[in-house]
Amino acid sequence: EADIYQTPRYLVIGTGKKITLECSQTMGHDKMYWYQQDPGMELHLIHYSYGVNSTEKGDLSSESTVSRIRTEHFPLTLESARPSHTSQYLCASSEYGGFETQYFGPGTRLLVL
Amino acid sequence: AQKVTQAQTEISVVEKEDVTLDCVYETRDTTYYLFWYKQPPSGELVFLIRRNSFDEQNEISGRYSWNFQKSTSSFNFTITASQVVDSAVYFCALNGGTSYGKLTFGQGTILTVHP
Repeated sequence: EADIYQTPRYLVIGTGKKITLECSQTMGHDKMYWYQQDPGMELHLIHYSYGVNSTEKGDLSSESTVSRIRTEHFPLTLESARPSHTSQYLCASSEYGGFETQYFGPGTRLLVL
Repeated sequence: AQKVTQAQTEISVVEKEDVTLDCVYETRDTTYYLFWYKQPPSGELVFLIRRNSFDEQNEISGRYSWNFQKSTSSFNFTITASQVVDSAVYFCALNGGTSYGKLTFGQGTILTVHP
C-alpha cells in the first residue's frame, strides 16, 4: 500500500490566482514525479526530482514550478492560473533505481475559471 | 525513443465475460520494465504489475493474467469473469534503461463492465 498524499483533492479557482498543489509521501522515496492528465486521459510527465534540491522538467512543457527541500515533500506551484491549466495533476514517488515502481497519489482536479 | 500503444480506446462487456486489453510497445533498450496501472473513477492510479524484459513467463493473480511476448513487443492484460468493479481506465507503461526511471504511458483503455 502506497502512502502518498495530495491536497487539495479538488480546487476551483479564478484566473490569475497563485496556487500550490501539495504532495507528500511517507515511504522515504528519493524520486518524485508530477504528471498532468488531460481530459482525454493521456498522462504527461511535467516535473521530476531525484532527491533533495534536485528538480528537472519533464517531457511536457509546463508553466508550473516545483521545489524539493525535504525528501517527503514535492509541491507544485502555478504563479498565475489560467483556464488552460485546468487538468488533473498526479504526484508519484519511487525508490531510487532505474526501474522501480512508481506509486501514485489520489490526484488533484484543478478547474480554473 | 519509447512508445506505448493501447489501440483499444474503449471496451464494453457484460459481467462475467473475459476481456483482454492490448498493449504494444517500442523501445531500443535491451533492458526495460513494463507496467499496468488501473485508474478507477476516483482518479488515483493503482499499480497492478511490473515485469522485466528478461522474464517472459505469464503471470496470474486471481482473475488477472498477463501475457508478455517479446517477439511481438506486446504485454496484454486479461481479466477473467469480469465484474462491475473492474470498470476503470487501464494504462500500460514502459520504463526503458535509458529513460532514467521515467515512465512512458499508453493512451489508456476505458473498460466498462455492465451488470
